[in-house]
Amino acid sequence: GAVVSQHPSRVICKSGTSVKIECRSLDFQATTMFWYRQFPKQSLMLMATSNEGSKATYEQGVEKDKFLINHASLTLSTLTVTSAHPEDSSFYICSAPSRGGVDPDTQYFGPGTRLTVL
Amino acid sequence: GENVEQHPSTLSVQEGDSAVIKCTYSDSASNYFPWYKQELGKRPQLIIDIRSNVGEKKDQRIAVTLNKTAKHFSLHITETQPEDSAVYFCAASHRGSTLGRLYFGRGTQLTVWP
Repeated sequence: GAVVSQHPSRVICKSGTSVKIECRSLDFQATTMFWYRQFPKQSLMLMATSNEGSKATYEQGVEKDKFLINHASLTLSTLTVTSAHPEDSSFYICSAPSRGGVDPDTQYFGPGTRLTVL
Repeated sequence: GENVEQHPSTLSVQEGDSAVIKCTYSDSASNYFPWYKQELGKRPQLIIDIRSNVGEKKDQRIAVTLNKTAKHFSLHITETQPEDSAVYFCAASHRGSTLGRLYFGRGTQLTVWP
């Protein structure tokens, strides 16, 4: 199946700094990517939909100025957590639906990024 | 928007027994229902999915059933093994919304005791 990578897998940063997370579709083009946040023992919470060549669509309650999303190419979306605080510590996962092919609905997840803000 | 409810939140079974997880959805336009298995610290892995034109689908020990009228779908795991222990999420989506957007249930922590 299609492969989605994420980088870094783990990051520890100081409060007030910014962290960038990359999500790449390795063998298919993704005009849309999704960014989720997952707290321990909870479900995946959709933060925003990243659209190639246009602005991201944020879910209600997600601060667009704090979580900056850029989808500059058909294979790369980035999420930047600006002025990170300890409450931003979480597991961030991206996903992308694979267009065309046998299963156009199937969504492929990246391996996730564990963010810890000290 | 779509609302997906999942039950139970935790499920413990003896190895070899069957496990059933149930989900309901609210939007009758939803037409794609995947199930994901997530191990601790890992990404969700698609284990089976079903589309609204099918009532049941099976893949070895895993099966999913869909009742469109009642808007519910279920995951059935037979002959459970300790390695089936994980969190399972159901989800729903439809083409009318943002293409590919999934609405997730809250998850079920399945524990299979040897």
